[in-house]
Amino acid sequence: QVQLQESGPGLVKPSETLSLRCSVSGDSISNYYWSWIRQPPGKGLEWIGYVYYSGGTTYNPSLRSRVAISVDTSKTEFSMRLRSVTAADTAVYYCARVVSPEGMDVWGQGTPVTVSS
Amino acid sequence: DIQMTQSPSSVSASAGDRVTITCRASQGISSRLAWYQQKPGQAPKLLIYEAFRLHSGVPSRFSGSKSGTDFTLTISSLQPEDSATYYCQQANSLPYTFGQGTKLEIK
Repeated sequence: QVQLQESGPGLVKPSETLSLRCSVSGDSISNYYWSWIRQPPGKGLEWIGYVYYSGGTTYNPSLRSRVAISVDTSKTEFSMRLRSVTAADTAVYYCARVVSPEGMDVWGQGTPVTVSS
Repeated sequence: DIQMTQSPSSVSASAGDRVTITCRASQGISSRLAWYQQKPGQAPKLLIYEAFRLHSGVPSRFSGSKSGTDFTLTISSLQPEDSATYYCQQANSLPYTFGQGTKLEIK
């Protein structure tokens, strides 16, 4: 059974870069899209973007200028980098597997990130 | 971007009741709509995809339907464990977008 686990710093300073990693276990990373989603405290879900196992990416236009998602098939993990963070980037960040046409069928437990000096 | 508008924002019902949550898309999305359940402190879980198809392992009391750009999630007989926030998400065009959520409370 596939499982996802996010990892990264819980605290990032304003203007710095947030780096998160999602480890995939229990299944191949191949032939799927892998997505990042975030949820600010007490708010709804925002899709950040996804990466295909072969490396192709698509981002939410609202974050496209600051975000980069990559995949490392040898390590069965994918990563997200978000530049120039502000307090508005404070959120729980989730990674998820995208299966068409089902949607996002497997999610990590989420990792909270606070942007503060 | 396609806007997804959910209603109501919150609902309170008793165990055994039937509850309906609606999601309206700002433009046509075919049947490319998913519903998720999120409990406090947990990640969302996929319930329904393609508007009405039940994801593996989801109880049959959950069902989905579509009428034009309006989509409905129905829980036929509420159980205490159904207390959660429910989100719709369109998967027809990028960027994926979610509804704002409906918080379901069991009386």
